[in-house]
Amino acid sequence: AQSVTQLDSHVSVSEGTPVLLRCNYSSSYSPSLFWYVQHPNKGLQLLLKYTSAATLVKGINGFEAEFKKSETSFHLTKPSAHMSDAAEYFCVVSLGGSNYKLTFGKGTLLTVNP
Amino acid sequence: EPEVTQTPSHQVTQMGQEVILRCVPISNHLYFYWYRQILGQKVEFLVSFYNNEISEKSEIFDDQFSVERPDGSNFTLKIRSTKLEDSAMYFCASSEEGFSTDTQYFGPGTRLTVL
Repeated sequence: AQSVTQLDSHVSVSEGTPVLLRCNYSSSYSPSLFWYVQHPNKGLQLLLKYTSAATLVKGINGFEAEFKKSETSFHLTKPSAHMSDAAEYFCVVSLGGSNYKLTFGKGTLLTVNP
Repeated sequence: EPEVTQTPSHQVTQMGQEVILRCVPISNHLYFYWYRQILGQKVEFLVSFYNNEISEKSEIFDDQFSVERPDGSNFTLKIRSTKLEDSAMYFCASSEEGFSTDTQYFGPGTRLTVL
């Protein structure tokens, strides 16, 4: 079985400061890992995806995530937060192969203060 | 940029009524999915659909639910007799065939309210 744990339900940062959203996963196989973002009253937008090609993955809007197999982690970072980054962020795992079901974490609400 | 669209954005229905949620996936995608998010809870997988049949479904997806691709562009989720606990945001997603099949693109969602 696969699962995802997002360690913080709410993260608050000041504009211009770094962002760290933490995610740990559990999977019996080599997973594909994703981060999705959901802005208020909007759908789920793909930020980035890890598929074993490189452990550091760059996504849209300056976000990146590092896959650490030894720690079973896939934390999302951004060097400098912008007000427009305020949203809910979901860490997601897929077993891959012929099983394309996505398993979502509970989400982390990012608040950016001026 | 191509995107998944969903209609309606908000549906209000009475308990016991049938509802159909509609989705138009990205045009060259061959895999289709429905997920739901009950308020305050995780996004949950409901069903995946490929080659005109269900490829996987969750335990949530019982006999009250069905999916259909009635034509070359639409993908629908039908709930036959809605219950109060069906109130949720329903997301449609699609993905292409090949190396990136597990990369799913989501629509904006339909908020279903059952009274």
